[in-house]
Amino acid sequence: EDQVTQSPEALRLQEGESSSLNCSYTVSGLRGLFWYRQDPGKGPEFLFTLYSAGEEKEKERLKATLTKKESFLHITAPKPEDSATYLCAVQAGTALIFGKGTTLSVSS
Amino acid sequence: GAVVSQHPSRVICKSGTSVKIECRSLDFQATTMFWYRQFPKKSLMLMATSNEGSKATYEQGVEKDKFLINHASLTLSTLTVTSAHPEDSSFYICSARTGMAYGYTFGSGTRLTVV
Repeated sequence: EDQVTQSPEALRLQEGESSSLNCSYTVSGLRGLFWYRQDPGKGPEFLFTLYSAGEEKEKERLKATLTKKESFLHITAPKPEDSATYLCAVQAGTALIFGKGTTLSVSS
Repeated sequence: GAVVSQHPSRVICKSGTSVKIECRSLDFQATTMFWYRQFPKKSLMLMATSNEGSKATYEQGVEKDKFLINHASLTLSTLTVTSAHPEDSSFYICSARTGMAYGYTFGSGTRLTVV
Protein backbone atom coordinates (compact mmCIF):
# COMPACT_ATOMS: atom_id res chain seq x y z
CA GLU A 1 0.00 0.00 0.00
CA ASP A 2 1.28 3.45 -0.92
CA GLN A 3 2.05 5.48 2.19
CA VAL A 4 3.54 8.85 3.10
CA THR A 5 4.73 9.72 6.61
CA GLN A 6 5.87 13.19 7.59
CA SER A 7 7.80 14.25 10.66
CA PRO A 8 7.72 16.12 12.86
CA GLU A 9 4.01 16.95 13.08
CA ALA A 10 4.82 20.43 14.35
CA LEU A 11 7.99 22.48 14.42
CA ARG A 12 8.66 25.79 16.13
CA LEU A 13 11.67 27.82 15.03
CA GLN A 14 13.13 31.17 15.80
CA GLU A 15 13.66 33.46 12.84
CA GLY A 16 16.96 32.52 11.22
CA GLU A 17 17.08 29.05 12.80
CA SER A 18 17.52 26.54 9.95
CA SER A 19 15.94 23.07 10.08
CA SER A 20 14.66 20.19 7.98
CA LEU A 21 11.31 18.46 7.48
CA ASN A 22 11.19 14.77 6.67
CA CYS A 23 8.92 12.82 4.34
CA SER A 24 9.34 9.05 4.15
CA TYR A 25 7.38 7.09 1.59
CA THR A 26 6.53 3.63 0.34
CA VAL A 27 5.18 3.49 -3.18
CA SER A 28 5.30 0.94 -5.94
CA GLY A 29 7.19 2.78 -8.64
CA LEU A 30 7.73 6.43 -7.75
CA ARG A 31 6.39 8.70 -10.48
CA GLY A 32 6.91 11.90 -8.59
CA LEU A 33 7.23 13.32 -5.08
CA PHE A 34 5.62 16.68 -4.46
CA TRP A 35 5.98 19.35 -1.80
CA TYR A 36 3.20 21.85 -1.18
CA ARG A 37 2.67 24.70 1.23
CA GLN A 38 -0.78 25.17 2.75
CA ASP A 39 -1.93 28.24 4.64
CA PRO A 40 -4.98 28.00 6.95
CA GLY A 41 -8.24 27.88 5.02
CA LYS A 42 -6.48 27.72 1.65
CA GLY A 43 -5.69 25.08 -0.93
CA PRO A 44 -2.16 23.68 -1.27
CA GLU A 45 0.36 25.81 -3.14
CA PHE A 46 2.92 24.01 -5.28
CA LEU A 47 6.57 24.15 -4.22
CA PHE A 48 8.56 21.32 -5.84
CA THR A 49 8.38 18.09 -7.78
CA LEU A 50 11.19 15.52 -7.54
CA TYR A 51 11.36 12.47 -9.75
CA SER A 52 14.54 10.52 -9.03
CA ALA A 53 16.90 9.79 -6.15
CA GLY A 54 19.63 12.37 -5.89
CA GLU A 55 17.53 15.14 -7.36
CA GLU A 56 17.52 18.51 -5.58
CA LYS A 57 15.52 21.68 -6.16
CA GLU A 58 15.72 25.11 -4.56
CA LYS A 59 13.44 28.08 -4.23
CA GLU A 60 14.41 31.03 -2.08
CA ARG A 61 14.97 29.67 1.47
CA LEU A 62 13.67 26.18 0.63
CA LYS A 63 15.56 23.22 -0.75
CA ALA A 64 14.06 19.79 -1.42
CA THR A 65 16.08 16.60 -1.76
CA LEU A 66 15.11 13.04 -2.59
CA THR A 67 16.49 9.58 -1.80
CA LYS A 68 14.99 6.18 -2.58
CA LYS A 69 13.05 6.16 0.69
CA GLU A 70 12.61 9.74 1.81
CA SER A 71 12.64 13.40 0.98
CA PHE A 72 13.77 16.37 3.01
CA LEU A 73 12.61 19.95 2.86
CA HIS A 74 15.42 22.12 4.18
CA ILE A 75 14.54 25.60 5.38
CA THR A 76 17.45 28.00 5.64
CA ALA A 77 17.19 31.11 7.82
CA PRO A 78 13.39 31.00 7.97
CA LYS A 79 11.25 34.10 8.34
CA PRO A 80 7.84 34.44 10.04
CA GLU A 81 6.17 34.43 6.62
CA ASP A 82 7.39 30.86 6.14
CA SER A 83 4.93 29.76 8.83
CA ALA A 84 2.51 27.29 7.22
CA THR A 85 1.78 23.59 6.91
CA TYR A 86 4.09 21.81 4.51
CA LEU A 87 2.61 18.80 2.76
CA CYS A 88 4.44 15.98 1.04
CA ALA A 89 2.70 13.78 -1.54
CA VAL A 90 3.57 10.96 -3.91
CA GLN A 91 1.92 10.19 -7.21
CA ALA A 92 0.03 6.90 -6.98
CA GLY A 93 -1.62 6.05 -10.24
CA THR A 94 -2.95 9.36 -11.49
CA ALA A 95 -3.71 10.97 -8.11
CA LEU A 96 -1.58 12.25 -5.25
CA ILE A 97 -1.43 10.56 -1.85
CA PHE A 98 -0.60 13.01 0.92
CA GLY A 99 1.15 12.80 4.26
CA LYS A 100 -0.37 14.53 7.28
CA GLY A 101 1.92 17.51 6.97
CA THR A 102 4.31 19.43 9.18
CA THR A 103 3.04 22.65 10.70
CA LEU A 104 5.88 25.13 10.89
CA SER A 105 5.77 28.19 13.15
CA VAL A 106 8.53 30.76 12.86
CA SER A 107 8.69 33.47 15.48
CA SER A 108 10.60 36.72 15.25
CA GLY B 1 -0.74 29.88 -15.82
CA ALA B 2 -2.50 26.71 -14.62
CA VAL B 3 -5.09 28.25 -12.33
CA VAL B 4 -7.88 26.23 -10.76
CA SER B 5 -10.84 28.24 -9.51
CA GLN B 6 -13.11 26.73 -6.87
CA HIS B 7 -16.47 28.15 -5.85
CA PRO B 8 -17.92 28.84 -3.35
CA SER B 9 -15.19 29.34 -0.79
CA ARG B 10 -17.63 28.98 2.09
CA VAL B 11 -21.13 27.59 2.33
CA ILE B 12 -23.50 26.93 5.19
CA CYS B 13 -26.50 24.72 4.54
CA LYS B 14 -29.26 23.09 6.51
CA SER B 15 -29.21 19.39 7.22
CA GLY B 16 -30.98 17.44 4.48
CA THR B 17 -30.29 19.90 1.68
CA SER B 18 -27.83 19.53 -1.22
CA VAL B 19 -24.83 21.68 -2.00
CA LYS B 20 -22.90 21.99 -5.28
CA ILE B 21 -19.23 22.92 -5.44
CA GLU B 22 -17.65 23.96 -8.74
CA CYS B 23 -14.08 23.51 -9.85
CA ARG B 24 -12.89 25.23 -13.04
CA SER B 25 -9.59 25.15 -14.87
CA LEU B 26 -9.17 28.72 -16.10
CA ASP B 27 -6.38 28.62 -18.63
CA PHE B 28 -5.97 24.97 -19.51
CA GLN B 29 -8.05 21.91 -20.27
CA ALA B 30 -8.30 19.29 -17.55
CA THR B 31 -9.37 15.85 -18.66
CA THR B 32 -8.85 14.62 -15.11
CA MET B 33 -9.73 16.38 -11.88
CA PHE B 34 -9.54 15.15 -8.32
CA TRP B 35 -11.66 15.83 -5.25
CA TYR B 36 -10.17 15.76 -1.76
CA ARG B 37 -11.58 16.18 1.70
CA GLN B 38 -9.61 17.58 4.61
CA PHE B 39 -10.53 17.40 8.29
CA PRO B 40 -9.01 19.87 10.79
CA LYS B 41 -5.30 19.26 11.27
CA LYS B 42 -5.50 16.20 9.04
CA SER B 43 -4.18 15.37 5.64
CA LEU B 44 -6.00 15.59 2.32
CA MET B 45 -7.94 12.41 1.66
CA LEU B 46 -8.66 11.55 -1.96
CA MET B 47 -12.39 11.09 -2.48
CA ALA B 48 -12.68 10.54 -6.20
CA THR B 49 -11.09 11.00 -9.59
CA SER B 50 -13.23 12.85 -12.10
CA ASN B 51 -12.81 12.09 -15.80
CA GLU B 52 -14.30 14.29 -18.51
CA GLY B 53 -17.15 12.57 -20.25
CA SER B 54 -17.18 9.46 -18.09
CA LYS B 55 -18.13 8.29 -14.63
CA ALA B 56 -16.00 9.28 -11.68
CA THR B 57 -13.87 6.75 -9.87
CA TYR B 58 -14.50 6.78 -6.13
CA GLU B 59 -12.10 5.75 -3.40
CA GLN B 60 -13.02 2.94 -1.07
CA GLY B 61 -15.44 4.08 1.62
CA VAL B 62 -16.73 7.13 -0.26
CA GLU B 63 -20.49 7.02 -0.91
CA LYS B 64 -21.17 7.53 -4.61
CA ASP B 65 -24.79 8.47 -4.04
CA LYS B 66 -23.93 11.10 -1.45
CA PHE B 67 -21.03 12.73 -3.30
CA LEU B 68 -22.13 13.16 -6.91
CA ILE B 69 -19.40 14.17 -9.33
CA ASN B 70 -19.99 15.51 -12.82
CA HIS B 71 -17.23 16.38 -15.28
CA ALA B 72 -19.20 17.47 -18.31
CA SER B 73 -16.55 19.66 -19.94
CA LEU B 74 -12.78 19.94 -20.14
CA THR B 75 -12.82 22.92 -17.78
CA LEU B 76 -15.49 22.14 -15.21
CA SER B 77 -16.04 19.47 -12.59
CA THR B 78 -18.71 19.68 -9.91
CA LEU B 79 -19.16 17.94 -6.60
CA THR B 80 -22.67 17.79 -5.17
CA VAL B 81 -23.10 16.78 -1.57
CA THR B 82 -26.61 15.35 -1.42
CA SER B 83 -28.80 15.25 1.67
CA ALA B 84 -26.02 16.83 3.69
CA HIS B 85 -25.61 16.05 7.38
CA PRO B 86 -23.40 17.67 10.03
CA GLU B 87 -20.82 14.90 9.63
CA ASP B 88 -20.33 16.06 6.02
CA SER B 89 -18.98 19.36 7.30
CA SER B 90 -15.42 19.60 6.09
CA PHE B 91 -12.98 21.37 3.79
CA TYR B 92 -13.31 20.16 0.20
CA ILE B 93 -10.53 20.81 -2.31
CA CYS B 94 -10.33 20.06 -6.02
CA SER B 95 -7.23 19.56 -8.10
CA ALA B 96 -6.34 19.16 -11.75
CA ARG B 97 -3.38 17.74 -13.61
CA THR B 98 -1.78 20.45 -15.66
CA GLY B 99 0.73 18.37 -17.56
CA MET B 100 3.31 21.06 -16.80
CA ALA B 101 6.33 21.20 -14.53
CA TYR B 102 4.22 21.57 -11.41
CA GLY B 103 1.97 18.66 -12.26
CA TYR B 104 -1.06 19.25 -10.08
CA THR B 105 -2.75 22.53 -9.27
CA PHE B 106 -5.23 22.92 -6.45
CA GLY B 107 -8.27 25.09 -5.95
CA SER B 108 -8.58 27.33 -2.93
CA GLY B 109 -11.01 24.99 -1.20
CA THR B 110 -14.61 25.11 0.01
CA ARG B 111 -15.49 25.15 3.69
CA LEU B 112 -18.83 23.35 4.04
CA THR B 113 -20.75 23.68 7.29
CA VAL B 114 -23.98 21.71 7.71
CA VAL B 115 -26.23 22.92 10.50
